[in-house]
Amino acid sequence: QAGLTQPPSVSRDLRQTATLTCIGDSNTVGNQGAAWLQQHQGHPPKLLSYRNNNRPSGISERFSASRSGNTASLTITGLQPEDEADYYCSAWDSSLSAWVFGGGTKLTVL
Amino acid sequence: EVQLVESGGGLVQPGESLRLSCEASGFTFTNHWMHWVRQAPGKGLVWVSHIDGDGIATNYAGSVKGRFTMSRDNAKNTIYLQMDSLRVEDTGVYYCTKEAGSLEIWGQGAMVTVSS
Repeated sequence: QAGLTQPPSVSRDLRQTATLTCIGDSNTVGNQGAAWLQQHQGHPPKLLSYRNNNRPSGISERFSASRSGNTASLTITGLQPEDEADYYCSAWDSSLSAWVFGGGTKLTVL
Repeated sequence: EVQLVESGGGLVQPGESLRLSCEASGFTFTNHWMHWVRQAPGKGLVWVSHIDGDGIATNYAGSVKGRFTMSRDNAKNTIYLQMDSLRVEDTGVYYCTKEAGSLEIWGQGAMVTVSS
């Protein structure tokens, strides 16, 4: 099944800003936007934002999402050690009637 | 508190069957589509299947279509994934998730290992 494209890894220094990208198409990101999930090793994914920049309660304002055309982005400001994790984008694929995911980006905080 | 608890994972041989369950609590179960998503060891997330609130409409990823069947019992606030003709490549953690604008809440996952 079709998926979304994410860079495999991103590294940034402590307290800096990281921007993660996710490329889809008009059936996915370009249609209803993307959601972002954070997953720490050995734990289930946790929703960070949905429909581009809606944050569930309890999610830090340091996490913000946006979309431009078929590309979604997640920006994390003031990087903390606990932000080191895998980040996945997801979107509803209207042509497949299914959710699709990116391959995930491993964020390393130096 | 919204909670999803999976059960039923285990070790099986190729060609065998297994049924996963996911019990939900803390929300109006019938109002939500539910999904199964799996993650092979060291790999990313892959959507497996979904079911609507009434349990009438289902859809499956191509890799499991014809082998997996998703169902729900709204009286028990539980969804199921019947997995038949299991293959080595079906090995992974299976998460159930609640949809509310996105895949909002995730269970802790159930480990399925298919190996001879």
